[in-house]
Amino acid sequence: NAGVTQTPKFRVLKTGQSMTLLCAQDMNHEYMYWYRQDPGMGLRLIHYSVGEGTTAKGEVPDGYNVSRLKKQNFLLGLESAAPSQTSVYFCASRSGGGGSYEQYFGPGTRLTVT
Amino acid sequence: KQEVTQIPAALSVPEGENLVLNCSFTDSAIYNLQWFRQDPGKGLTSLLLIQSSQREQTSGRLNASLDKSSGRSTLYIAASQPGDSATYLCAVTNSGYALNFGKGTSLLVTP
Repeated sequence: NAGVTQTPKFRVLKTGQSMTLLCAQDMNHEYMYWYRQDPGMGLRLIHYSVGEGTTAKGEVPDGYNVSRLKKQNFLLGLESAAPSQTSVYFCASRSGGGGSYEQYFGPGTRLTVT
Repeated sequence: KQEVTQIPAALSVPEGENLVLNCSFTDSAIYNLQWFRQDPGKGLTSLLLIQSSQREQTSGRLNASLDKSSGRSTLYIAASQPGDSATYLCAVTNSGYALNFGKGTSLLVTP
């Protein structure tokens, strides 16, 4: 049972480069999330999706884009990376309406932008 | 905007002690509250989830309580062990969408 997986685990980018982080879940969850974790700031929501084909902005969406073309995948894109986007990125998912609303997290992606 | 605060920010205790971690939140209209554990350089492991209608949840040596009206939760760890050393995160769900996290309590249990 893989749960929530993230690709890649580590990445180093130069300022201005682009990349896509992939999140996949095998629990048939409706909701998916992208968070970033920075020292002293805690985890903050970047974007989220409440179902296939839908996306919405979270607390810190600037500089990121997302897509949810398939229910099991949620992609986070950085079009032009900046040093301020150096962070650890976590993906999470949970089931839809009803239930416990418990969120399940992936192992994270460590991104460094130089 | 929901604000989640965790006190203390860091805690060091000798092995065997019982300890309490505190979490407070400003908006009491929550769906649930989750406690997570995070080891250095690792992801988040869910420890306990308390629904808004519940008062507490227990798992092994862990017990989490929730007082929604006062905006408080506590995580009680009994008979602490060095393996409990980690950062503990509290998070609440308001709108049913995303979690609002505290900044965590860093726990060190010394042998």
